[in-house]
Amino acid sequence: DGGITQSPKYLFRKEGQNVTLSCEQNLNHDAMYWYRQDPGQGLRLIYYSQIVNDFQKGDIAEGYSVSREKKESFPLTVTSAQKNPTAFYLCASSWRRREETQYFGPGTRLLVL
Amino acid sequence: AQSVAQPEDQVNVAEGNPLTVKCTYSVSGNPYLFWYVQYPNRGLQFLLKYITGDNLVKGSYGFEAEFNKSQTSFHLKKPSALVSDSALYFCAVNWEYGNKLVFGAGTILRVKS
Repeated sequence: DGGITQSPKYLFRKEGQNVTLSCEQNLNHDAMYWYRQDPGQGLRLIYYSQIVNDFQKGDIAEGYSVSREKKESFPLTVTSAQKNPTAFYLCASSWRRREETQYFGPGTRLLVL
Repeated sequence: AQSVAQPEDQVNVAEGNPLTVKCTYSVSGNPYLFWYVQYPNRGLQFLLKYITGDNLVKGSYGFEAEFNKSQTSFHLKKPSALVSDSALYFCAVNWEYGNKLVFGAGTILRVKS
């Protein structure tokens, strides 16, 4: 987990509320990623960013939004349009080449009240 | 499209015995293969990867994996299992022209004393 921090560790969302998950890295990596983990389904890619001020949708981007204003930060907003947000959210970072290892943060567990 | 399969939901092994966690993949070109481990409510920890070269890759905590191109497999192995190896293991694949890392569904490893 070293080098990548995620906060908070637990987050509770009310109906109709937008919530933002924080991800910060001090590894000087160019690329950052957000994954969603549900039991028995592995990790699914939500959004990724290869460079500041640019990002692309992953496999399950609907109901989520991101920004990449700084190299070290890649916050994820779970909007009210995401009807089933309860999951474990993982942030990762890496160098840009395809063979580079992604390193993961400790995760944020989002629960719906 | 690239994909990865972990055919076993769970693997049980006695402490001190060798362990194998299976992974098979499908990509259009040369694969980049990764193994990660996850402990409960934690982020993923990188174990090892195959990019090119020697088919036997050695990684962290005594784990190794063998790349078999003809069988499109990348099985994770350890000669002598420890109780502390009990965790969730993920295989992942990217490839030379891929744009994302694709994860398997994960295999739970249980090592009993």
